[in-house]
Amino acid sequence: AAGVIQSPRHLIKEKRETATLKCYPIPRHDTVYWYQQGPGQDPQFLISFYEKMQSDKGSIPDRFSAQQFSDYHSELNMSSLELGDSALYFCASSEGQGATEAFFGQGTRLTVV
Amino acid sequence: AQTVTQSQPEMSVQEAETVTLSCTYDTSENNYYLFWYKQPPSRQMILVIRQEAYKQQNATENRFSVNFQKAAKSFSLKISDSQLGDTAMYFCAFTPAYSGAGSYQLTFGKGTKLSVIP
Repeated sequence: AAGVIQSPRHLIKEKRETATLKCYPIPRHDTVYWYQQGPGQDPQFLISFYEKMQSDKGSIPDRFSAQQFSDYHSELNMSSLELGDSALYFCASSEGQGATEAFFGQGTRLTVV
Repeated sequence: AQTVTQSQPEMSVQEAETVTLSCTYDTSENNYYLFWYKQPPSRQMILVIRQEAYKQQNATENRFSVNFQKAAKSFSLKISDSQLGDTAMYFCAFTPAYSGAGSYQLTFGKGTKLSVIP
């Protein structure tokens, strides 16, 4: 079965650079969620989209932005990267309103040096 | 705001034995969902089991079962016949049950690192 695809799997950037993470949800899934998991930490909700509109916003820094496109894939744009942005970034997707299960991708590991 | 607390940072269990991981939560919501996620060394987040708050019956998935105590806001995970492949970080998570927003904002606990010993 198709799963959530995230790219790239690994990314190394320097401080103050920009990074773009991509997420391709499971076919027919219309909702995408982004989470950030720092080293040894629990995942923190960043932002979510439903039908290409932002539906919820969590602890996402102002330096980050995200959107969901017409094909339902989503991109997380991160600017002015800081060392503390080094983390595993998960994307998850779900289908329909009031979904009770979301499926996670394998994550993108971002290292800022 | 919701909080999820896992009071056991690390646990170990002998292969084939049973282990219980604890989770408590705090919320003012009446309808919500609770989850246990497994994160093995590969870092993939894998859903283990899900419980709907309005259901009194405890969820069961093969060797995994929960003890859901709504009044006590407790949601423990029992793993029976532990296997080496169960070695992982286990996260308890909560989300309110929105009726129409299509949103599924999980609040996670800090996790319990489980080691299954041969």
